[in-house]
Amino acid sequence: NAGVTQTPKFQVLKTGQSMTLQCAQDMNHEYMSWYRQDPGMGLRLIHYSVGAGITDQGEVPNGYNVSRSTTEDFPLRLLSAAPSQTSVYFCASSYETGDGYTFGSGTRLTVV
Amino acid sequence: AQTVTQSQPEMSVQEAETVTLSCTYDTSESDYYLFWYKQPPSRQMILVIRQEAYKQQNATENRFSVNFQKAAKSFSLKISDSQLGDAAMYFCAYRSARDEKLTFGTGTRLTIIP
Repeated sequence: NAGVTQTPKFQVLKTGQSMTLQCAQDMNHEYMSWYRQDPGMGLRLIHYSVGAGITDQGEVPNGYNVSRSTTEDFPLRLLSAAPSQTSVYFCASSYETGDGYTFGSGTRLTVV
Repeated sequence: AQTVTQSQPEMSVQEAETVTLSCTYDTSESDYYLFWYKQPPSRQMILVIRQEAYKQQNATENRFSVNFQKAAKSFSLKISDSQLGDAAMYFCAYRSARDEKLTFGTGTRLTIIP
C-alpha cells in the first residue's frame, strides 16, 4: 500500500514549456485534489475530483488542466509554464465525505 | 466561499509546556469538518486531528486536543507536554460536506525551545 505517489519530486522548467505532474493512489479513494503551496499563503486548491470522469475548479485553476479517467490517477498539466507557477505542488486523496485527505510528498517546481 | 484564518504566523513554547494554536473560519454551512495538519521540515502533510461540526464533544488524540466553538466559528489546537518533534508548521483546514473542498489557513510555525 503505497498511499499517494507523486512524481517527479523536483522539476525545473523553462518559461513556456509544458509538463504533467503525476499523482496516483492505491487506496480506492474517490476524492482527489491538487494544491499549490507558496510561502505565507498556505495551500491553495487548484482542481479537484469527486470521482472518475468528474473534475472541478478550485481557487487557482488558471494555467492548469486535469483529467480523471481512472479512480487511481489524477494528473495535473501545466499548459505553458510561467515563473508565477514556481511552487510546491501537493496531490491528496480521501475515501469519503468528512475524512481527512492523505497527501503525497509533493513536487517542487521551479520555472525559470 | 469559506475562509480559514490563522492569526498567529509564529509561536514558540518551552519543551514539556502547553501551547494553543488559534484558528477561526467563516462559513454559512451547518455541516462540515475541521482538521489540523502538521507539516514538519520534511514537507510531508500529516493529519493531526479531525472534528465533525455536528459533534459537540471536542476531539482528542493523545497530547493533541481541540477547543471547538461552533457558534464562534473557532477551532483551536492545544498541544500538551510539547516535544521537540512537535516543531513544524501547523495548518487549520475546513472541509465542506457540500462540495468536498478542503480550504486551508495560512499556517502557524511552531518552535519548541529545549
